[in-house]
Parts: sequence; C-alpha cells; structure tokens
Amino acid sequence: GEDVEQSLFLSVREGDSSVINCTYTDSSSTYLYWYKQEPGAGLQLLTYIFSNMDMKQDQRLTVLLNKKDKHLSLRIADTQTGDSAIYFCAERLEGSQGNLIFGKGTKLSVKP
Amino acid sequence: DSGVTQTPKHLITATGQRVTLRCSPRSGDLSVYWYQQSLDQGLQFLIQYYNGEERAKGNILERFSAQQFPDLHSELNLSSLELGDSALYFCASSGRATTDTQYFGPGTRLTVL
Repeated sequence: GEDVEQSLFLSVREGDSSVINCTYTDSSSTYLYWYKQEPGAGLQLLTYIFSNMDMKQDQRLTVLLNKKDKHLSLRIADTQTGDSAIYFCAERLEGSQGNLIFGKGTKLSVKP
Repeated sequence: DSGVTQTPKHLITATGQRVTLRCSPRSGDLSVYWYQQSLDQGLQFLIQYYNGEERAKGNILERFSAQQFPDLHSELNLSSLELGDSALYFCASSGRATTDTQYFGPGTRLTVL
C-alpha cells in the first residue's frame, strides 16, 4: 500500500541544524518532494530528488535518500525563525499520472 | 508566488449548499490537480485534469465534481455540503510530463456551518 509517514513535531534552537525524517512504503516511488507550508499559506516547493539519487544539496537544504530503507530526510542548516512551518514529504509513484501522496507533515518550531 | 491562483480565498456556507472553487494554472501548464487538506485526513489527492480531460481520480466523493475549461482554468464543484467537507482545498499545476513538478496555489478555505 501507499503510505508516507513523518514525525509530527520538531523543535530546534536558532542556528542549529534541523533534520526532518520521512519514510515511505512504496518502492515504486519515482520522485520524492519536500514542501513547506507557513501558517495560512499554500504549499511551497522546497526541493525534490529523483529516486536514483542518494543526495541533493541546495543552499541550506540537503536531501538524503536511502532507497533500501525507504527513508528520506531533509536537513536545514543554520535554522532560522523564518524556517518555522510545517514540512511535508510527498512521493510520486511510477506509473501514476503524477498525483502526489503526502505525509501528515512535521511542524518545525525554531526557538530564538 | 507560485503563479497558480485560486478564488475565493475563503468561503463560508451552510450544510446542503453547493459551491464552486476556481483555479487558474501557471502560464503554459496543462495539468491541474485538486487536493483537500483536513485536520484528520491530511493532504489527499482528489482529481487531475490534463488539457481538458480527466486523467486520474483519487479520494473524491461522488458529491464533488470538477472540470477543466479550454482556457485551462479549472473548477471544483462541491454539492450537498456536509460539516466534514470543511477543509482547505488546493489546486496545483504542472507542465506536459507527468514527471513535471507541481506548483500549488494558496488554497481556498471552505467552512461549512
């Protein structure tokens, strides 16, 4: 079955690194995404990784993919208070028409 | 700004009523996706259109329907509304390939009283 799981909460201090984890069950995932949702706002695409990659870095963001364990993580370096938001992991399955399967989201709180 | 627009931003209505949510995709995008975000179910895919034709269906109730018009904007129609339909409804658009990234609009918050 298709399922994406994330822990619900993460709290870090400003300046520290944040690591948000995600596990998925379907091995036919092709692309995996991280979206950010600020209060009262829509979903903002942060980054994505193709399933044949292990790592992708984009400025303060690092995505790690362990396909064997079906585990995806998002590391935010030098976390700022403006990074406080809900972060969603999502997968696109091979053979699908492109619709995404989302986790429930991880609420990141950054303390000054 | 993702380039995807949705109207209205907020909608308050009563049970049993019917509403229409509107979405305009990013310029050049042919695919439109509708998602529902609720506290208990999270973000769930409802339906996808590509260049005017329905492409995929997710957990969409029979009381809900959608369409995509020749100018590529899309409407989601929700009828016989129930309290449980209160949610954020997002539209996303993407390009020609199913592997193209989806960009989300700001959402329409529907409250059913």
